[in-house]
Amino acid sequence: QQPVQSPQAVILREGEDAVINCSSSKALYSVHWYRQKHGEAPVFLMILLKGGEQKGHDKISASFNEKKQQSSLYLTASQLSYSGTYFCGTSSDLMYSGGGADGLTFGKGTHLIIQP
Amino acid sequence: GAGVSQSPRYKVAKRGQDVALRCDPISGHVSLFWYQQALGQGPEFLTYFQNEAQLDKSGLPSDRFFAERPEGSVSTLKIQRTQQEDSAVYLCASSVLAGGRETQYFGPGTRLLVL
Repeated sequence: QQPVQSPQAVILREGEDAVINCSSSKALYSVHWYRQKHGEAPVFLMILLKGGEQKGHDKISASFNEKKQQSSLYLTASQLSYSGTYFCGTSSDLMYSGGGADGLTFGKGTHLIIQP
Repeated sequence: GAGVSQSPRYKVAKRGQDVALRCDPISGHVSLFWYQQALGQGPEFLTYFQNEAQLDKSGLPSDRFFAERPEGSVSTLKIQRTQQEDSAVYLCASSVLAGGRETQYFGPGTRLLVL
């Protein structure tokens, strides 16, 4: 099952904050966040493993609540370069237990537009 | 270092034509993935290789789709008798597992248009 992302789209002024959510109905092992600009490859942002991680670098951070099977991506003091579509990709606990890597299941994306 | 590269970047095919899409992963990356991304959607998993072994092909939409990675490095995704519904961006990703974390790095994709 595809994870559900919310909101579908958000428009911000430069300097404002944003939160993007990703929730799954399946037990998750990991959540991967990517940003994709039009016509370009998805760019890796961060990966969170089950255990309730929080990670961050610069002004982008994320959390993973394994009990709720939810992850949130936090963008603070947004910059024009943050514009793009954000995808969460998930791997489930069951798939990962077999060892090795697994294909990710991606949400439909959240479109983020930053205006000057 | 060099990232994942894919060729061609764009491909226009007539319906019924066979196409071959190439992926050069990051050197040393054991795992290689193919995804299909329709317009306005997230990538959808097609198939996965660990070295030369195709461990999961559950996402391939039909038997017209075939992927190989004979020497555990470069991979080719082949689509036979293309249909209009095959039009999409085909993304390749490679990864290495380290410390329990597996980060997939994507190539720029091949945009396939079937007329």
